[in-house]
Amino acid sequence: DAKTTQPPSMDCAEGRAANLPCNHSTISGNEYVYWYRQIHSQGPQYIIHGLKNNETNEMASLIITEDRKSSTLILPHATLRDTAVYYCIVMPTGANNLFFGTGTRLTVIP
Amino acid sequence: DGGITQSPKYLFRKEGQNVTLSCEQNLNHDAMYWYRQDPGQGLRLIYYSQIVNDFQKGDIAEGYSVSREKKESFPLTVTSAQKNPTAFYLCASTLLRGGNTEAFFGQGTRLTVV
Repeated sequence: DAKTTQPPSMDCAEGRAANLPCNHSTISGNEYVYWYRQIHSQGPQYIIHGLKNNETNEMASLIITEDRKSSTLILPHATLRDTAVYYCIVMPTGANNLFFGTGTRLTVIP
Repeated sequence: DGGITQSPKYLFRKEGQNVTLSCEQNLNHDAMYWYRQDPGQGLRLIYYSQIVNDFQKGDIAEGYSVSREKKESFPLTVTSAQKNPTAFYLCASTLLRGGNTEAFFGQGTRLTVV
């Protein structure tokens, strides 16, 4: 399974866009990119996923580069409640090992 | 409503005792997973199961055991052989069909061994 690399921490001003990068240079053609976030002492929460095309939902946007070796999660207007650890993972169809890594700790500053 | 439930939320045990953490899902998911999380760390995979009566070791299986007698249940036993059992334990489940394998997580069990 491909693994991912994320910066350990980032800060973002409240109301501004938070752009969280993820490198997945060994991703395979059948692997999706997923983003989750974990607020302190809770289970991770699904945010968004994609294969090739950029995706948007009510929580965030996902931008995947054309070569699929990296992606960026965008929170368009960060709030204090978006302070969490964000995990980028890649999973093939029929995944049997969800490798999470250490993620990026995003702190939204008032 | 469908979901995945872990119990209890907090658990205290004396050193040397085995303890079993419960994980139940009513999502009809095929695969289930157990993770361990230590303070300030990411999630590490302990065991996973893709089908009833079958399971595989993850990265840190030593000192743990699991069973998968029913599709909806995947209990984790922390044995006395686990050297540092105090941690936050998370259970997850996924479908294994189609292109979307979104994982659903329970709210976790915080185990403290004294």
